[in-house]
Amino acid sequence: GAGVSQTPSNKVTEKGKYVELRCDPISGHTALYWYRQSLGQGPEFLIYFQGTGAADDSGLPNDRFFAVRPEGSVSTLKIQRTERGDSAVYLCASSTRPDNEQFFGPGTRLTVL
Amino acid sequence: GQQLNQSPQSMFIQEGEDVSMNCTSSSIFNTWLWYKQEPGEGPVLLIALYKAGELTSNGRLTAQFGITRKDSFLNISASIPSDVGIYFCAGRRSEDFNKFYFGSGTKLNVKP
Repeated sequence: GAGVSQTPSNKVTEKGKYVELRCDPISGHTALYWYRQSLGQGPEFLIYFQGTGAADDSGLPNDRFFAVRPEGSVSTLKIQRTERGDSAVYLCASSTRPDNEQFFGPGTRLTVL
Repeated sequence: GQQLNQSPQSMFIQEGEDVSMNCTSSSIFNTWLWYKQEPGEGPVLLIALYKAGELTSNGRLTAQFGITRKDSFLNISASIPSDVGIYFCAGRRSEDFNKFYFGSGTKLNVKP
């Protein structure tokens, strides 16, 4: 079956612009996670959804970052007033339950010029 | 934030050699995971460990959950060229079980 998909695969934007990154989890997976991976580092937790609600958003770095999952499937990570330091690969993962294996998407590489 | 120290940072080995890498934490974890990531892809789970002292194998890979619950080890035996990639440890604490904390990775290079 289809795995986790993320679009776009690459996004180049200018400092100060707004971007949206999309994640399509595996069908039926109720848990969804966003991570940020900087060059040479491991993934860093941003936010976790259980169904439609953000159960833990403690990893979001500041209020420029926001994520939604209105129907409990697709999720969008939104970044306002992008900064060069936001450049990274943004990974999405989903699982059937929080304590089950997380399946990762290929990520969106965001470059802020 | 939570720090996971993963070592070595990188390894250059000959095909057929065995490999060991480890991860240590300042906190007690109740779950340890090992992932492999290849260029342009997300991490893929290799082994999951849920109990202190647990030793689990997946083919040529063997991982252990340290007795102190603050460390874990991954061994790869008889390495082959397709083992090339970045290996990450990840751990989860009971007090914030929604989060996995990742190490900074071990980059493995295998020379045929």
